[in-house]
Amino acid sequence: QAVVTQEPSVSVSPGGTVTLTCGLSSGSVSTTNYPSWCQQTPGQAPRTLIYNTNTRSSGVPDRFSGSILGNTAALTITGALEDDDSYYYCVLYMGSGISVFGGGTRLTVL
Amino acid sequence: QVKLQESGPGLVKASETLSLTCVVSGYSISRGYHWGWVRQPPGKGLEWIVSFYHSGGTYYNPSLKSRVTVSEDTSKNHFSLNLTSVTAADTAVYFCVRQRVGSGNRFDSWGQGALVSVSS
Repeated sequence: QAVVTQEPSVSVSPGGTVTLTCGLSSGSVSTTNYPSWCQQTPGQAPRTLIYNTNTRSSGVPDRFSGSILGNTAALTITGALEDDDSYYYCVLYMGSGISVFGGGTRLTVL
Repeated sequence: QVKLQESGPGLVKASETLSLTCVVSGYSISRGYHWGWVRQPPGKGLEWIVSFYHSGGTYYNPSLKSRVTVSEDTSKNHFSLNLTSVTAADTAVYFCVRQRVGSGNRFDSWGQGALVSVSS
């Protein structure tokens, strides 16, 4: 089964810009993987921020954006807030109904 | 607005079957979307388990397929997960989800999660 890779931890200063990436252990991520990004704070259920590579879910601030960068999917936060201190998971669609989560990135805003 | 709520035993003995139910309100599970389960072991990441479409196909995580069954009760607007032959590795918070599968793939609604511990 495909392994989806993410940075284990990343930090950003308040007001700064940060990019989290999502790759495949073998191969490149493309739009046909329909990358999505979920945010999860400890003790809470995740919520989907971005889907279809770059579509924001309803109510998600426009400081969150998604893209394909080279051979990875990317989540960029522009003007990070302390509230963005959280875990972020990417999800890739591998075909045949199968979704695979990445291992998650712990984003620290400080 | 759709809401999902998991219920079931919080403790299961090793080698037995884990059973959870997800009650859905605000949307009929027979109307559309896929429905399924995602789990998260304590302190670890998320793992997709299974997705199904009413009167349609069911998709399984290959690593769990042999132990997973799902069922639905449209009259009660709920669906259920059975995971057989559990071990300590199956201890996790189990989330039920509403999902778009394929184009636009995403988990767009989540239950609050139910912690299931496997005891020896």
